[in-house]
Amino acid sequence: GQNIDQPTEMTATEGAIVQINCTYQTSGFNGLFWYQQHAGEAPTFLSYNVLDGLEEKGRFSSFLSRSKGYSYLLLKELQMKDSASYLCAVRGSSGTYKYIFGTGTRLKVLA
Amino acid sequence: NAGVTQTPKFRILKIGQSMTLQCTQDMNHNYMYWYRQDPGMGLKLIYYSVGAGITDKGEVPNGYNVSRSTTEDFPLRLELAAPSQTSVYFCASSPLGVNQPQHFGDGTRLSIL
Repeated sequence: GQNIDQPTEMTATEGAIVQINCTYQTSGFNGLFWYQQHAGEAPTFLSYNVLDGLEEKGRFSSFLSRSKGYSYLLLKELQMKDSASYLCAVRGSSGTYKYIFGTGTRLKVLA
Repeated sequence: NAGVTQTPKFRILKIGQSMTLQCTQDMNHNYMYWYRQDPGMGLKLIYYSVGAGITDKGEVPNGYNVSRSTTEDFPLRLELAAPSQTSVYFCASSPLGVNQPQHFGDGTRLSIL
């Protein structure tokens, strides 16, 4: 079967660094996306990985290991506005345009 | 830029009623998707389309229908509303290219009573 696992909830302090993990088992792999979703709002795109390694975008970085079926999103210098859910999504085999989403990780940033 | 527009934003239906959730995008994207999101959960794919005239089922298609007569519009139809269909519905679109992210509408919050 196809499955994506993420921790349900995490808490961190303003100014700190937090790592949100995502493990996946899918039939084929054609890229992994991270989205941020504030409560009551639509998801917005954060990052994309298709090759092994780290992609950095300002305070946000995302890492991928295809052999381990593992990714993480790293958030640095946490701000209160980073309190949101973070969704991991995998695009399946080449030729398919479907995405499988994890259940999301709710991050609470405390002052 | 309007992006992806969904209407209505909120709706309450009675069991057995029908309705259509509207979705339109002005970015000329080929791919369009309908998801549902239950409280505290991720997104479940209902239906998707790779272009006008082409649609396919996702993970949870039962109780829903779609059509894609134009590139811009991708309406979702509920024929006989059931309480299990109470959810937030998101429409999304993306352009060609494996590294292209999805762009989401603001969602429709639907309650079936």
